[in-house]
Amino acid sequence: KAGVTQTPRYLIKTRGQQVTLSCSPISGHRSVSWYQQTPGQGLQFLFEYFSETQRNKGNFPGRFSGRQFSNSRSEMNVSTLELGDSALYLCASSFGVGVPNTEAFFGQGTRLTVV
Amino acid sequence: QQQVKQSPQSLIVQKGGISIINCAYENTAFDYFPWYQQFPGKGPALLIAIRPDVSEKKEGRFTISFNKSAKQFSLHIMDSQPGDSATYFCAASREGNFNKFYFGSGTKLNVKP
Repeated sequence: KAGVTQTPRYLIKTRGQQVTLSCSPISGHRSVSWYQQTPGQGLQFLFEYFSETQRNKGNFPGRFSGRQFSNSRSEMNVSTLELGDSALYLCASSFGVGVPNTEAFFGQGTRLTVV
Repeated sequence: QQQVKQSPQSLIVQKGGISIINCAYENTAFDYFPWYQQFPGKGPALLIAIRPDVSEKKEGRFTISFNKSAKQFSLHIMDSQPGDSATYFCAASREGNFNKFYFGSGTKLNVKP
């Protein structure tokens, strides 16, 4: 069974640019959530999608957005990149229904560097 | 305000010893407490998780102890091995929050051969 797949693995962008990251969840999983991981702030929740709807959102500026497609694949977009956006962006998938908050499985992440 | 506090920040244990990592939380609405293990360059991997209706859960060499009244939970790694050297994160979430996890700051474990 394939795990959570995130692409690309590495990205280097310039300040002011925008970036799109992709996440393919485990087959059968309908919930996709996104996290930002930095040495200073640790792991912080960005948002969660289920059946193409955003169900929850963290405390990030509007420059961070996401969406989910009918096949459960998700993308997140960061516009007007700032140096502080440099981080490992992680996607996690789960069934999203049934017993609440069941196991969430993370991908390997996309390492974004803003220069 | 940090919802989940984790200690220690780093831990050195001899091979065969017991590694203990502690976490404390404030929000009594939390009802799911997973532990994740992360190796360099990899995403966090779910290790073991517990709900507050039990005080202990064991899976192989990994045990979670949960103290609801103290709002604390801990991870015990028995017979620690060099391959256990990684960063460990505790987390908490509550029903209806759709996998919005509040993570601890992480503990870097180094198991010496």
